Amino acid sequence: GIQVEQSPPDLILQEGANSTLRCNFSDSVNNLQWFHQNPWGQLINLFYIPSGTKQNGRLSATTVATERYSLLYISSSQTTDSGVYFCAVVIQGAQKLVFGQGTRLTINP
Amino acid sequence: NAGVTQTPKFRVLKTGQSMTLLCAQDMNHEYMYWYRQDPGMGLRLIHYSVGEGTTAKGEVPDGYNVSRLKKQNFLLGLESAAPSQTSVYFCASSYETPAYEQYFGPGTRLTVT
Repeated sequence: GIQVEQSPPDLILQEGANSTLRCNFSDSVNNLQWFHQNPWGQLINLFYIPSGTKQNGRLSATTVATERYSLLYISSSQTTDSGVYFCAVVIQGAQKLVFGQGTRLTINP
Repeated sequence: NAGVTQTPKFRVLKTGQSMTLLCAQDMNHEYMYWYRQDPGMGLRLIHYSVGEGTTAKGEVPDGYNVSRLKKQNFLLGLESAAPSQTSVYFCASSYETPAYEQYFGPGTRLTVT
């Protein structure tokens, strides 16, 4: 099956720092989503980005489908950005999102 | 719009007991999904539905049953709960195929003792 690998697994930063999270996938996809799971367990949709670049405030994402990776950028981190960030993909013709293992981000004040 | 809602938010069961989790969406989405999340892991698909009256197995369907009698509701049943079913359960929906963006509910934390 498709492999979804996220890096780094853990990231600890000071408030105000910038970060880049990476998602590599092993097959062609027609859906790629980034989620933030906050400390209360809620899954928050960040981006639906099977290709191209999108920005939403301090967050932006880029997916290069031909090279099978996606990047999530977080600028000027805040403590509320802490949590686990998941990348999830759907390969063409499949019926399920396949999740990566996540990147645990901790922002210290 | 409430989006995707789940009932209940928490539940503790004893081994062998049964229960039903309810998922509701008000976005007129065709596809609905049930996932489970175990500690330190991403989500895995249990069952899904491509429309009212349809259901299909996902990646980890054993021990669960589902029904979609109304387009807006998707029920997940545990007939005889086991400790291995202790997990957080998420429901999701998408406009049409999984190629469309999936929207997730807040989750149900289930503990089976």
